[in-house]
Amino acid sequence: NAGVTQTPKFQVLKTGQSMTLQCAQDMNHNSMYWYRQDPGMGLRLIYYSASEGTTDKGEVPNGYNVSRLNKREFSLRLESAAPSQTSVYFCASSRLAINYEQYFGPGTRLTVT
Amino acid sequence: KNEVEQSPQNLTAQEGEFITINCSYSVGISALHWLQQHPGGGIVSLFMLSSGKKKHGRLIATINIQEKHSSLHITASHPRDSAVYICAVKLDGNQFYFGTGTSLTVIP
Repeated sequence: NAGVTQTPKFQVLKTGQSMTLQCAQDMNHNSMYWYRQDPGMGLRLIYYSASEGTTDKGEVPNGYNVSRLNKREFSLRLESAAPSQTSVYFCASSRLAINYEQYFGPGTRLTVT
Repeated sequence: KNEVEQSPQNLTAQEGEFITINCSYSVGISALHWLQQHPGGGIVSLFMLSSGKKKHGRLIATINIQEKHSSLHITASHPRDSAVYICAVKLDGNQFYFGTGTSLTVIP
């Protein structure tokens, strides 16, 4: 039982490049989330998927797109990376119907130059 | 938005001390989540609360819904407790709002 996994762990992009961050969970959770963490700020929600087939914007969605590929996988895409997107990205999941406790992946450290 | 305020921002304690970390929020919530972020960056769930008190080992979390306040206590602190402790509140819907964290260092 791996919990929540994320790939890659580290990435360096040039401004304007695109990339997809991958997230998968093996806990049969319904809900999945993408957060970014910046120095001096709390975790901020980018997008979430309450259940398979649905996605919704969070607090800071601009510059990102998401896909809930199936119940296990939720990907985050940066179409044209900007230096302001330099951050640590965390994926999380929760079993919505029973409780909202969130389980986090190990994070992806992204630098955009 | 500043729905969640944590105090103190930084805390240094001697091994064995009793530690309290506070979380205040400004709006009605349906649940409150305490998390621990290790020095390596990983985030682990400690407690989910909607009322009362929960205990797990040396950790105790309490919440007072009327006062919009929660506390996380660590008894007999140990250097391995050194981490950032994060409070998050859940409003109606699916979103959590996170505090900026309390950085705890326990000195042997």
